[in-house]
Amino acid sequence: GEDVEQSLFLSVREGDSSVINCTYTDSSSTYLYWYKQEPGAGLQLLTYIFSNMDMKQDQRLTVLLNKKDKHLSLRIADTQTGDSAIYFCAEKPGGYIPTFGRGTSLIVHP
Amino acid sequence: DAGVIQSPRHEVTEMGQEVTLRCKPISGHDSLFWYRQTMMRGLELLIYFNNNVPIDDSGMPEDRFSAKMPNASFSTLKIQPSEPRDSAVYFCASSFSGTSGGHNEQFFGPGTRLTVL
Repeated sequence: GEDVEQSLFLSVREGDSSVINCTYTDSSSTYLYWYKQEPGAGLQLLTYIFSNMDMKQDQRLTVLLNKKDKHLSLRIADTQTGDSAIYFCAEKPGGYIPTFGRGTSLIVHP
Repeated sequence: DAGVIQSPRHEVTEMGQEVTLRCKPISGHDSLFWYRQTMMRGLELLIYFNNNVPIDDSGMPEDRFSAKMPNASFSTLKIQPSEPRDSAVYFCASSFSGTSGGHNEQFFGPGTRLTVL
């Protein structure tokens, strides 16, 4: 199976919260990332979490990490149409390059 | 800084032709990555360089693909001969490796959309 797995699509109503989930396999991962890809553009780092943390909050974004279950989630509060994009989860063991998931397409409808 | 620069942004070519994609990484970054993105396979790492030296090219699909990094500010990805199944968006990314185990954000270029007819 893939090293990093995430569902391919998520549809939410504007103003609701979005939760994008990800599972990874490498227990030695020191950093876990969320990248955002807007239409016609490259990926851009949205946020990251160090493996000794279980939560990180940044304005409307909340990242939760469950190391025991190797589960990472990204919650976007008050989702806006501008949040429509593909969100990639990635893991990185120390000293190595990251492994990306296939991306979750977030669709925000009015 | 202008970020990672890729050219061309779009390329349409016929099967059998040679295609060369170009990338200028962010100044001061010592690692460069080439990715391919398709609907079927998602984001695939093709090859990455550190200090202009290819470190891992296990993702390069076949011998038709080659990549070079003659200096710290320029890299090319060449496909010869191209085939319709090579149609994809190709991304270049760069990062500063810093200390081993550190957080090393990758900065992506805007991509080159390749269509092989």
